[in-house]
Amino acid sequence: EVQLVESGGGLVQPGGSLRLSCAASGFTFSSSSMNWVRQAPGKGLEWVSYISSSTSTIHYADSVKGRFTISRDNAKNSLYLQMNSLRDDDTAVYYCARDDYYGPTPGWFDPWGQGTLVTVSS
Amino acid sequence: DIQMTQSPSSLSASVGDRVTITCQASRGVRNYLNWYQHKPGKAPKLLIYDVSNLETGVPSRFSGSGFGTDFTFTISSLQPEDIATYYCQQYDNVPPTFGGGTKVEIK
Repeated sequence: EVQLVESGGGLVQPGGSLRLSCAASGFTFSSSSMNWVRQAPGKGLEWVSYISSSTSTIHYADSVKGRFTISRDNAKNSLYLQMNSLRDDDTAVYYCARDDYYGPTPGWFDPWGQGTLVTVSS
Repeated sequence: DIQMTQSPSSLSASVGDRVTITCQASRGVRNYLNWYQHKPGKAPKLLIYDVSNLETGVPSRFSGSGFGTDFTFTISSLQPEDIATYYCQQYDNVPPTFGGGTKVEIK
Protein backbone atom coordinates (compact mmCIF):
# COMPACT_ATOMS: atom_id res chain seq x y z
CA GLU A 1 0.00 0.00 0.00
CA VAL A 2 1.31 3.41 -0.96
CA GLN A 3 1.61 5.51 2.17
CA LEU A 4 2.94 8.90 3.23
CA VAL A 5 3.18 9.82 6.91
CA GLU A 6 4.12 13.32 8.01
CA SER A 7 5.58 14.22 11.39
CA GLY A 8 7.32 17.09 13.14
CA GLY A 9 4.51 19.61 13.43
CA GLY A 10 3.80 21.53 16.59
CA LEU A 11 3.62 24.92 18.26
CA VAL A 12 6.47 27.33 17.57
CA GLN A 13 6.97 31.02 18.27
CA PRO A 14 7.24 33.57 15.47
CA GLY A 15 10.80 33.64 14.19
CA GLY A 16 11.35 30.06 15.24
CA SER A 17 12.22 26.95 13.26
CA LEU A 18 10.70 23.54 12.69
CA ARG A 19 11.62 20.54 10.57
CA LEU A 20 8.89 18.43 9.03
CA SER A 21 9.44 14.85 7.88
CA CYS A 22 7.47 12.62 5.55
CA ALA A 23 8.05 8.86 5.59
CA ALA A 24 7.19 7.11 2.35
CA SER A 25 6.40 3.43 1.79
CA GLY A 26 4.80 1.16 -0.78
CA PHE A 27 6.45 2.71 -3.85
CA THR A 28 9.88 3.47 -5.28
CA PHE A 29 10.54 6.73 -3.44
CA SER A 30 13.87 7.33 -5.15
CA SER A 31 12.12 7.52 -8.54
CA SER A 32 9.41 9.94 -7.42
CA SER A 33 9.35 13.70 -7.27
CA MET A 34 7.70 15.04 -4.16
CA ASN A 35 5.83 18.13 -2.97
CA TRP A 36 4.74 19.93 0.16
CA VAL A 37 1.29 21.52 0.12
CA ARG A 38 -0.34 23.39 3.01
CA GLN A 39 -3.78 24.46 4.14
CA ALA A 40 -4.18 27.35 6.55
CA PRO A 41 -7.19 27.23 8.90
CA GLY A 42 -10.37 27.94 6.97
CA LYS A 43 -8.45 28.43 3.73
CA GLY A 44 -7.79 26.47 0.58
CA LEU A 45 -4.79 24.47 -0.58
CA GLU A 46 -1.48 26.20 -1.28
CA TRP A 47 1.48 24.51 -2.94
CA VAL A 48 4.71 25.12 -1.01
CA SER A 49 7.64 23.29 -2.59
CA TYR A 50 8.75 20.61 -5.06
CA ILE A 51 11.83 18.42 -5.29
CA SER A 52 12.68 16.09 -8.16
CA SER A 53 13.72 12.49 -7.58
CA SER A 54 17.41 13.26 -7.98
CA THR A 55 17.18 16.64 -6.18
CA SER A 56 18.37 18.34 -9.37
CA THR A 57 15.23 20.50 -9.56
CA ILE A 58 13.71 22.36 -6.63
CA HIS A 59 10.93 24.95 -6.65
CA TYR A 60 9.42 27.09 -3.90
CA ALA A 61 6.37 29.28 -3.56
CA ASP A 62 7.33 32.95 -3.29
CA SER A 63 5.73 33.05 0.16
CA VAL A 64 8.37 30.66 1.58
CA LYS A 65 11.38 31.27 -0.66
CA GLY A 66 14.49 32.02 1.39
CA ARG A 67 12.92 30.70 4.60
CA PHE A 68 12.03 27.06 3.81
CA THR A 69 14.29 24.33 2.46
CA ILE A 70 13.06 21.09 0.95
CA SER A 71 15.29 18.03 0.95
CA ARG A 72 15.12 14.27 0.75
CA ASP A 73 17.02 11.15 1.75
CA ASN A 74 16.32 8.43 -0.80
CA ALA A 75 18.13 5.83 1.33
CA LYS A 76 15.66 6.51 4.14
CA ASN A 77 12.60 6.99 1.89
CA SER A 78 12.08 10.34 3.54
CA LEU A 79 11.18 13.88 2.54
CA TYR A 80 11.88 16.92 4.69
CA LEU A 81 10.91 20.56 5.00
CA GLN A 82 13.14 22.81 7.09
CA MET A 83 11.14 25.87 8.06
CA ASN A 84 12.98 28.91 9.42
CA SER A 85 11.90 32.45 10.32
CA LEU A 86 8.36 31.20 10.81
CA ARG A 87 5.52 33.71 10.69
CA ASP A 88 1.94 33.65 11.93
CA ASP A 89 0.70 33.12 8.38
CA ASP A 90 2.71 29.90 8.11
CA THR A 91 0.19 28.31 10.48
CA ALA A 92 -1.33 25.43 8.50
CA VAL A 93 -1.67 21.72 8.06
CA TYR A 94 1.29 20.63 5.94
CA TYR A 95 0.84 17.72 3.56
CA CYS A 96 3.47 15.83 1.65
CA ALA A 97 2.34 14.50 -1.70
CA ARG A 98 3.94 12.40 -4.39
CA ASP A 99 4.18 14.04 -7.78
CA ASP A 100 2.59 11.55 -10.15
CA TYR A 101 3.27 13.56 -13.32
CA TYR A 102 6.92 12.53 -13.80
CA GLY A 103 7.56 15.71 -15.77
CA PRO A 104 10.24 18.37 -15.19
CA THR A 105 7.94 20.51 -13.04
CA PRO A 106 5.18 19.91 -10.47
CA GLY A 107 2.18 18.14 -11.96
CA TRP A 108 -0.57 16.32 -10.13
CA PHE A 109 -0.32 15.14 -6.55
CA ASP A 110 -1.15 11.56 -5.67
CA PRO A 111 -1.22 10.28 -3.01
CA TRP A 112 -1.15 12.71 -0.10
CA GLY A 113 -0.32 12.14 3.52
CA GLN A 114 -2.72 12.91 6.36
CA GLY A 115 -0.87 16.09 7.22
CA THR A 116 0.87 17.58 10.25
CA LEU A 117 -0.26 20.78 11.94
CA VAL A 118 2.14 23.65 12.37
CA THR A 119 1.01 26.47 14.64
CA VAL A 120 3.05 29.66 14.79
CA SER A 121 2.02 31.73 17.78
CA SER A 122 3.47 33.56 20.74
CA ASP B 1 1.13 33.41 -10.97
CA ILE B 2 -1.96 31.95 -12.63
CA GLN B 3 -5.09 32.60 -10.59
CA MET B 4 -7.74 29.88 -10.53
CA THR B 5 -11.29 31.00 -9.81
CA GLN B 6 -13.83 28.37 -8.80
CA SER B 7 -17.57 28.81 -8.61
CA PRO B 8 -19.67 28.43 -6.70
CA SER B 9 -17.77 28.53 -3.42
CA SER B 10 -20.42 26.27 -1.92
CA LEU B 11 -23.53 24.44 -3.02
CA SER B 12 -26.27 22.31 -1.56
CA ALA B 13 -27.92 19.59 -3.62
CA SER B 14 -30.06 16.50 -3.14
CA VAL B 15 -28.89 12.92 -3.45
CA GLY B 16 -29.12 11.97 -7.11
CA ASP B 17 -28.76 15.53 -8.39
CA ARG B 18 -26.30 16.53 -11.09
CA VAL B 19 -23.68 18.89 -9.66
CA THR B 20 -21.46 21.16 -11.75
CA ILE B 21 -18.46 23.21 -10.62
CA THR B 22 -16.59 25.63 -12.85
CA CYS B 23 -12.96 26.67 -12.72
CA GLN B 24 -11.54 29.60 -14.67
CA ALA B 25 -7.85 30.31 -15.16
CA SER B 26 -6.49 33.87 -15.38
CA ARG B 27 -4.65 32.79 -18.51
CA GLY B 28 -4.61 29.64 -20.60
CA VAL B 29 -3.35 26.44 -18.99
CA ARG B 30 -3.94 24.19 -22.01
CA ASN B 31 -5.13 20.84 -20.60
CA TYR B 32 -2.92 20.93 -17.48
CA LEU B 33 -5.83 20.95 -15.05
CA ASN B 34 -6.57 18.56 -12.20
CA TRP B 35 -9.38 18.07 -9.67
CA TYR B 36 -9.16 16.93 -6.05
CA GLN B 37 -11.63 15.91 -3.37
CA HIS B 38 -10.92 16.87 0.24
CA LYS B 39 -12.91 15.60 3.18
CA PRO B 40 -12.38 17.14 6.66
CA GLY B 41 -9.56 15.48 8.57
CA LYS B 42 -8.57 13.35 5.57
CA ALA B 43 -5.86 13.51 2.97
CA PRO B 44 -6.88 15.25 -0.26
CA LYS B 45 -7.55 12.78 -3.05
CA LEU B 46 -6.81 13.14 -6.76
CA LEU B 47 -9.94 12.49 -8.82
CA ILE B 48 -9.14 13.74 -12.31
CA TYR B 49 -5.90 14.73 -14.05
CA ASP B 50 -5.38 16.49 -17.38
CA VAL B 51 -8.96 17.80 -17.50
CA SER B 52 -10.82 14.54 -18.01
CA ASN B 53 -8.71 11.52 -17.05
CA LEU B 54 -10.24 9.65 -14.14
CA GLU B 55 -7.76 8.39 -11.56
CA THR B 56 -7.87 4.63 -11.06
CA GLY B 57 -10.70 3.60 -8.77
CA VAL B 58 -12.62 6.87 -9.02
CA PRO B 59 -16.34 6.30 -9.75
CA SER B 60 -17.53 7.13 -13.24
CA ARG B 61 -20.11 9.62 -11.91
CA PHE B 62 -17.20 12.08 -11.72
CA SER B 63 -16.13 13.78 -14.95
CA GLY B 64 -14.31 16.83 -16.23
CA SER B 65 -14.10 18.89 -19.40
CA GLY B 66 -12.66 22.07 -20.82
CA PHE B 67 -9.49 23.57 -22.29
CA GLY B 68 -7.47 26.73 -21.98
CA THR B 69 -9.17 28.96 -19.41
CA ASP B 70 -12.57 27.39 -18.74
CA PHE B 71 -13.13 24.05 -17.09
CA THR B 72 -16.05 22.09 -15.67
CA PHE B 73 -16.24 19.34 -13.05
CA THR B 74 -19.43 17.28 -12.85
CA ILE B 75 -20.90 14.75 -10.46
CA SER B 76 -23.64 13.10 -12.51
CA SER B 77 -25.58 11.74 -9.54
CA LEU B 78 -24.61 13.11 -6.12
CA GLN B 79 -24.07 10.49 -3.42
CA PRO B 80 -23.85 11.02 0.36
CA GLU B 81 -20.16 10.03 0.32
CA ASP B 82 -19.42 12.87 -2.11
CA ILE B 83 -19.76 15.47 0.64
CA ALA B 84 -16.41 17.26 0.51
CA THR B 85 -14.62 20.31 -0.79
CA TYR B 86 -13.43 20.10 -4.38
CA TYR B 87 -10.42 21.94 -5.79
CA CYS B 88 -9.14 22.53 -9.28
CA GLN B 89 -5.37 22.91 -9.79
CA GLN B 90 -3.32 24.03 -12.79
CA TYR B 91 0.22 22.91 -13.48
CA ASP B 92 0.93 24.63 -16.79
CA ASN B 93 3.12 27.12 -14.93
CA VAL B 94 5.17 27.10 -11.75
CA PRO B 95 3.89 27.68 -9.13
CA PRO B 96 1.05 25.21 -9.49
CA THR B 97 -2.04 26.93 -8.14
CA PHE B 98 -5.36 25.79 -6.74
CA GLY B 99 -8.81 27.23 -6.99
CA GLY B 100 -10.44 28.46 -3.80
CA GLY B 101 -12.51 25.31 -3.43
CA THR B 102 -16.19 24.39 -3.70
CA LYS B 103 -17.85 22.94 -0.62
CA VAL B 104 -20.54 20.42 -1.59
CA GLU B 105 -23.29 19.64 0.92
CA ILE B 106 -26.43 17.53 0.89
CA LYS B 107 -29.73 19.38 0.93
